[in-house]
Amino acid sequence: KAGVTQTPRYLIKTRGQQVTLSCSPISGHRSVSWYQQTPGQGLQFLFEYFSETQRNKGNFPGRFSGRQFSNSRSEMNVSTLELGDSALYLCASSLEGLRGSPLHFGNGTRLTVT
Amino acid sequence: TQLLEQSPQFLSIQEGENLTVYCNSSSVFSSLQWYRQEPGEGPVLLVTVVTGGEVKKLKRLTFQFGDARKDSSLHITAAQPGDTGLYLCAGVTDSNYQLIWGAGTKLIIKP
Repeated sequence: KAGVTQTPRYLIKTRGQQVTLSCSPISGHRSVSWYQQTPGQGLQFLFEYFSETQRNKGNFPGRFSGRQFSNSRSEMNVSTLELGDSALYLCASSLEGLRGSPLHFGNGTRLTVT
Repeated sequence: TQLLEQSPQFLSIQEGENLTVYCNSSSVFSSLQWYRQEPGEGPVLLVTVVTGGEVKKLKRLTFQFGDARKDSSLHITAAQPGDTGLYLCAGVTDSNYQLIWGAGTKLIIKP
């Protein structure tokens, strides 16, 4: 069974630009959640999508948005990039989502904003 | 704000020693998960504990969920260099099914 795939692995953008990250979940998993990981703040929850609907949302500004397609693939978009957005962005898929079923993480997209 | 405090933040010990990592909160969790993350990779689930007082063992790793379901510990016996990594705990809240993450414990085992 293929794991969670995130693309691209690395990305360099400049301030003010926007970026789209992609996540393909494990086949059969309907939940995809996104996280920002930085050395200072640890792992922070961005949002969760389940069957194309946003089910949970963390405390991030509206510049961070996402969506999920009918095949469960998900994208995350960050507009008007700031230096502080530099981080490892992880997505995770699961059968039932954050209500207890295990999360399977991808290897992340390393975003650097200059 | 619901917090999950993880300690220590950093631990560097010699191969063969024992260690314990703690996750504490004032909130009650319906379940708590432990993950290990290696450089360049995403976290990998080690175990999920659900019942207060539950103890689970994974080879040399012992996980315990507090009786009140507010805290958990991970004990490693006779640590090996392969145990090196970032250990993360994450609790599912009783109230709104949010997943709250600890800040992580960076563990280095020196040969």
